[in-house]
Amino acid sequence: EAGVAQSPRYKIIEKRQSVAFWCNPISGHATLYWYQQILGQGPKLLIQFQNNGVVDDSQLPKDRFSAERLKGVDSTLKIQPAKLEDSAVYLCASSLNSGVLFGPGTRLTVL
Amino acid sequence: RKEVEQDPGPFNVPEGATVAFNCTYSNSASQSFFWYRQDCRKEPKLLMSVYSSGNEDGRFTAQLNRASQYISLLIRDSKLSDSATYLCVVNAAGGYNKLIFGAGTRLAVHP
Repeated sequence: EAGVAQSPRYKIIEKRQSVAFWCNPISGHATLYWYQQILGQGPKLLIQFQNNGVVDDSQLPKDRFSAERLKGVDSTLKIQPAKLEDSAVYLCASSLNSGVLFGPGTRLTVL
Repeated sequence: RKEVEQDPGPFNVPEGATVAFNCTYSNSASQSFFWYRQDCRKEPKLLMSVYSSGNEDGRFTAQLNRASQYISLLIRDSKLSDSATYLCVVNAAGGYNKLIFGAGTRLAVHP
């Protein structure tokens, strides 16, 4: 079974630039998550989709972060403009019932 | 107070040792609980679910104490390959399979 796919795997940008990450969840998984993991911390939920609807975005910094899941499959997460503190690994995950599977993540460095 | 709290460690133990990690959670309505393992620069992976009656998987035993709102993970006969960060995960109440991660406990097993 194919896993959760993410791209790019690495991204280096300067502050105030924009960046976008892409995620393709496991086929048939209705729930898709974006987590931010800062070095030395646990993953923090940014946004959770159920099919193409948002069920939780309470910790998403909406002034600079946006996410969409068109057609309830792939998802993109965008940061515009980026700040130094956005340097982190952005993990996409998906689930069908209770088991959550993660993608390999995108490591973002903001200079 | 954090929703999920763990001792960050590191726990440095010799091969063959028994080591235990605890985790506390703040929301008494939380529904389900998990331990995830995360290797350096990798994504988190499900280690085991935690059931009210306690459960065992080989050298790993997980227990849940709802009255005291804590979860534990016991690793017996530690192997070098057990070296990783162990993340305590709580499924928040609300019906949308929202997973809240602790910051993780680092384990280093040495020869």
